[in-house]
Amino acid sequence: GAVVSQHPSRVICKSGTSVKIECRSLDFQATTMFWYRQFPKQSLMLMATSNEGSKATYEQGVEKDKFLINHASLTLSTLTVTSAHPEDSSFYICSASGRGPGYGYTFGSGTRLTVV
Amino acid sequence: QKEVEQDPGPLSVPEGAIVSLNCTYSNSAFQYFMWYRQYSRKGPELLMYTYSSGNKEDGRFTAQVDKSSKYISLFIRDSQPSDSATYLCAMSAGGNQGGKLIFGQGTELSVKP
Repeated sequence: GAVVSQHPSRVICKSGTSVKIECRSLDFQATTMFWYRQFPKQSLMLMATSNEGSKATYEQGVEKDKFLINHASLTLSTLTVTSAHPEDSSFYICSASGRGPGYGYTFGSGTRLTVV
Repeated sequence: QKEVEQDPGPLSVPEGAIVSLNCTYSNSAFQYFMWYRQYSRKGPELLMYTYSSGNKEDGRFTAQVDKSSKYISLFIRDSQPSDSATYLCAMSAGGNQGGKLIFGQGTELSVKP
């Protein structure tokens, strides 16, 4: 089945630094990737949608200059949290959607970001 | 009003019980309906996927969609302690290959041995 690999699974960084999270589709071409944020005991909040080779579409209220998304190939998307602050601490999850029937949406295992 | 409403629970049942999880929605354009299971600090795992109205069964899991009532359900038969997780309903209007997914709040389920 479709597999999405997300790294790192956990990261701690200092305030003011930037953190990059990678999301890779291992066995299919992901035409669209989604990035979500999840707070404890809450549902997934969609941050942005990215299509390969084009700029990401951000949801209302999500700062595009703070959360940089790159989808340079059909198997890789990255989310960079720039100038991180403690309030950016959260669980970030990517999802990939591929071509053809049956792939649907496959989620990565998530990244726990802690900004100290 | 949220587009998708889901009782957050928590829901606690004894092992072997039948579990019923439900979501209601307001957007009549939704056509694709999914149930995900999420263990603590992990990404969601797709359990069931249904297009339009109807029932779908897979082992101990049954998904039902009633578009006329804007209501979807997930039934778990013979529940096991390993079923303890958060269950999220999700739906989309644009198809399963690129449409935006809207999630419910998630229901936390605990199955006691």
